[in-house]
Amino acid sequence: EDQVTQSPEALRLQEGESSSLNCSYTVSGLRGLFWYRQDPGKGPEFLFTLYSAGEEKEKERLKATLTKKESFLHITAPKPEDSATYLCAVQNDYKLSFGAGTTVTVRA
Amino acid sequence: SAVISQKPSRDICQRGTSLTIQCQVDSQVTMMFWYRQQPGQSLTLIATANQGSEATYESGFVIDKFPISRPNLTFSTLTVSNMSPEDSSIYLCSVAAHLTGTGGSTDTQYFGPGTRLTVL
Repeated sequence: EDQVTQSPEALRLQEGESSSLNCSYTVSGLRGLFWYRQDPGKGPEFLFTLYSAGEEKEKERLKATLTKKESFLHITAPKPEDSATYLCAVQNDYKLSFGAGTTVTVRA
Repeated sequence: SAVISQKPSRDICQRGTSLTIQCQVDSQVTMMFWYRQQPGQSLTLIATANQGSEATYESGFVIDKFPISRPNLTFSTLTVSNMSPEDSSIYLCSVAAHLTGTGGSTDTQYFGPGTRLTVL
């Protein structure tokens, strides 16, 4: 059974204080690793898909990296608008299995 | 990107009743999915709905409890039947998509805004 574990559960940052979120996974056949952002009361918003170890993708202050066992989402110089829950998911065949998420709060 | 709408956005229902949730996409898609997000938890796949075939349910979910229709390539419904308070959740539909841009191509799933269901 595919498993996705995210840490920490919650992260409180000062504006400008860079940090990283971790996503550890076990999957029988990884087709892709996905990162989403979810704001309260809304559906998940797609950020990145990573396919192979060593791959990196960036979007504004976010950078996602992938190894054979885990992925990191780096937040550089975060702003209050980066406050959200960040979800990691692995794709096996066409199905996504999600982690529990990391809730990030950025204080001004 | 696909734009997905869901109706209703929220509802409060009585125990033992049923609720049908609608999902509308602004473009034709092959694969649609229904997820449940219980309070404080992450998303769990309920079933995959492909047009022209029966829905495929994940372990722990059955058709009698969560019947799904997929009449065309832009629309699907999920019914939550004989509800109990344990069914209180956010229900989300999503669609599979393939994106192509200057950086290459990538697969993703787009999600609707969700339906927040409370069962009393």
